[in-house]
Amino acid sequence: DAGITQSPRHKVTETGTPVTLRCHQTENHRYMYWYRQDPGHGLRLIHYSYGVKDTDKGEVSDGYSVSRSKTEDFLLTLESATSSQTSVYFCAINRGAGGRNEQFFGPGTRLTVL
Amino acid sequence: AQTVTQSQPEMSVQEAETVTLSCTYDTSESDYYLFWYKQPPSRQMILVIRQEAYKQQNATENRFSVNFQKAAKSFSLKISDSQLGDAAMYFCAYRSPNTGTASKLTFGTGTRLQVTL
Repeated sequence: DAGITQSPRHKVTETGTPVTLRCHQTENHRYMYWYRQDPGHGLRLIHYSYGVKDTDKGEVSDGYSVSRSKTEDFLLTLESATSSQTSVYFCAINRGAGGRNEQFFGPGTRLTVL
Repeated sequence: AQTVTQSQPEMSVQEAETVTLSCTYDTSESDYYLFWYKQPPSRQMILVIRQEAYKQQNATENRFSVNFQKAAKSFSLKISDSQLGDAAMYFCAYRSPNTGTASKLTFGTGTRLQVTL
């Protein structure tokens, strides 16, 4: 919801393969986020963006890179996928202003690295 | 760094009954925001309710309400008149005040709620 789509929704890949996940938003929000969800860990922040070409690391950024060349697209890349990166990946945006802003999430991408 | 703890991995409630999910957090900040998200089997993350730390009044959204105890750093979610559609994973989340930088969320590990007939 919130005009956020993620692609692909499911992906199976092999160790050592590069993988790119795409998050697309239609509402022109400035802030975008990538999280991963794992059992026993909840959601953890990987990277975030605060504008075109402006990104920063989150809690679990090792092994991941991001890019944002357009406001609507935020890409997450695994340069060389490992089995530990098997997870569900969520993209999110901030909606609202100032302290009232709230995060809304895309539908998620399930990634399996064999 | 802030931490969020959900000590109940699983809970069960009968339909039409009331259930309370617990959440505690650790922070040195005086102003912050707290959230409960619901994740049904569809995997979609749905915002249920939010609470601003500077507000003493507990937030309420229809059948969902919170018990916010700032001194105890506790933020529990009460679901009244439970329905089968409430069955989901529930996540508690913390957010620092918006200081012009990204509003990053810190999540707990989640509580899986089962609703029985």
